[in-house]
Amino acid sequence: DVKVTQSSRYLVKRTGEKVFLECVQDMDHENMFWYRQDPGLGLRLIYFSYDVKMKEKGDIPEGYSVSREKKERFSLILESASTNQTSMYLCASSLQADSSYEQYFGPGTRLTVT
Amino acid sequence: GQNIDQPTEMTATEGAIVQINCTYQTSGFNGLFWYQQHAGEAPTFLSYNVLDGLEEKGRFSSFLSRSKGYSYLLLKELQMKDSASYLCAEMDSNYQLIWGAGTKLIIKP
Repeated sequence: DVKVTQSSRYLVKRTGEKVFLECVQDMDHENMFWYRQDPGLGLRLIYFSYDVKMKEKGDIPEGYSVSREKKERFSLILESASTNQTSMYLCASSLQADSSYEQYFGPGTRLTVT
Repeated sequence: GQNIDQPTEMTATEGAIVQINCTYQTSGFNGLFWYQQHAGEAPTFLSYNVLDGLEEKGRFSSFLSRSKGYSYLLLKELQMKDSASYLCAEMDSNYQLIWGAGTKLIIKP
């Protein structure tokens, strides 16, 4: 079974702090994604990566950056956390970019910025 | 941008059948996914349709009409554990997923 793990289930940070969210997958997947999920909205793509050291902006990259130094690990960084970044953050991975491959999700990190 | 529309909430009775509809914009279509998400948990894959028609997988079936930009997820013999949100997602021409807001399904005994 594919396993996607995230470093924390719950996180509370203060405004202005630098925040690191880690994601690791164990199935040698090429693609990794970071989404945020807010009530009443669909999942929104923040960043994605198709290969090591490669990153692409999603729909809402502002205020975020990412790092993919190893194939299995994809990190999301909030350079200076703000209250509007309070959200559920979901990491996902998929085998290839081809359309038929589903995404496997981690359990999510619920981040609260105070 | 592309819009995915699905009902916010539906209620059904244990043992019954429920159909959850999803409409999307048809430009640059590369497939339609359905995911299930229990409260506080990660979404899990249910189905993928890229051709017109009905795909059956146990109690769950998914239908696609590309010309109408329409899909539905059909759940039969509903069980209490089917209470969850059901997410519709279209894969666009860049192989990125465009997600609906999800349909919260409430199952009553």
